[in-house]
Amino acid sequence: NAGVTQTPKFQVLKTGQSMTLQCAQDMNHNSMYWYRQDPGMGLRLIYYSASEGTTDKGEVPNGYNVSRLNKREFSLRLESAAPSQTSVYFCASEDRTPRYFGPGTRLTVL
Amino acid sequence: GEDVEQSLFLSVREGDSSVINCTYTDSSSTYLYWYKQEPGAGLQLLTYIFSNMDMKQDQRLTVLLNKKDKHLSLRIADTQTGDSAIYFCAESRSGYALNFGKGTSLLVTP
Repeated sequence: NAGVTQTPKFQVLKTGQSMTLQCAQDMNHNSMYWYRQDPGMGLRLIYYSASEGTTDKGEVPNGYNVSRLNKREFSLRLESAAPSQTSVYFCASEDRTPRYFGPGTRLTVL
Repeated sequence: GEDVEQSLFLSVREGDSSVINCTYTDSSSTYLYWYKQEPGAGLQLLTYIFSNMDMKQDQRLTVLLNKKDKHLSLRIADTQTGDSAIYFCAESRSGYALNFGKGTSLLVTP
């Protein structure tokens, strides 16, 4: 089992560019999550998907969209990247408990 | 929302015990978690405890839960240099929320 995997590991964007962060899990979990981690702010929930076919906003959804492609995959899209979106992004999955996290994507927006 | 509180830094000598403390906010939290994050890496689940338990032991790790004071602690016995990392406390909330503290940086010195 690979657990939760994320691609890419690193990305640099210019302001206004778009990109999609990919996440996949092989644990047959129903729920999947996207978080961002910023210095001094801890982890904040962007979006989550309780089950295949559903998505809901978290604490900081503005500027992001998500797609739950199937039970395994949950992607996060930045349509027009802004410097404020420079962060480390973590995907997580869960089936009741506990929540397992991926290795992260380090995104810099110039 | 209300914060999960943790001290920011802890320094211990190799071989000593480390105790990392956390106060949480929601008396109805179902589960409480400890995650470990090494530099440049994702969040690794260390252990978690159900709210109807007072203590959980797992090899060198001991978790103590005081529900009355909403206090959670993580004790690491025989601390090693490889234990140097940031440790996050998290409480489950209603729905899918998982509320994180800002993390405690543990430095283990030889």
